[in-house]
Amino acid sequence: GAVVSQHPSRVICKSGTSVKIECRSLDFQATTMFWYRQFPKKSLMLMATSNEGSKATYEQGVEKDKFLINHASLTLSTLTVTSAHPEDSSFYICSALTSGGYRSYEQYFGPGTRLTVT
Amino acid sequence: QKEVEQNSGPLSVPEGAIASLNCTYSDRGSQSFFWYRQYSGKSPELIMFIYSNGDKEDGRFTAQLNKASQYVSLLIRDSQPSDSATYLCAVNPGYSSASKIIFGSGTRLSIRP
Repeated sequence: GAVVSQHPSRVICKSGTSVKIECRSLDFQATTMFWYRQFPKKSLMLMATSNEGSKATYEQGVEKDKFLINHASLTLSTLTVTSAHPEDSSFYICSALTSGGYRSYEQYFGPGTRLTVT
Repeated sequence: QKEVEQNSGPLSVPEGAIASLNCTYSDRGSQSFFWYRQYSGKSPELIMFIYSNGDKEDGRFTAQLNKASQYVSLLIRDSQPSDSATYLCAVNPGYSSASKIIFGSGTRLSIRP
């Protein structure tokens, strides 16, 4: 159980265009999902927390108008990189929170989306 | 001070030996602790979680938690080359599902044949 999918797995786009990445929890409902970015050989960087039915909470330094997050259902969150530039090229990973029981929550990651902006 | 600290490595262990990965955290009230494995170019995979003091075993993996000393460790017995990866320690500081899991920067483990 606790499977998270992401689509697409890899995308190449031209500078100035927008890209949408989907994150789905396949076998559980996730009221909370997270979006991370990871540059090569670097740590995971949390970008935002996505809560179903409400506005996302962005980490300091992350532009909310550039990285649009929508969490319209309990199984789907989307991240749209608007007006992408080469410096946005990175590995974007989502994760979903599932309850493991009383006061316990586990976080499962999707397989990631590699974005290359040319 | 970083909230979750790990030695970046690389930690080199011979095949068949025990690999020991350590992690310390700063928030004494932390409640849940996780170990993730991340292969190069892939996303992290949850391999162990532990909530109570002591040891938790799952196959070749044992997680150890000591809340008084604020450290959590992961032991990998009979290390295999396929265990070579970066291991991320993660801590959930609160009870709420809205509590963000805080990740360490990871320890790179290399199992040499």
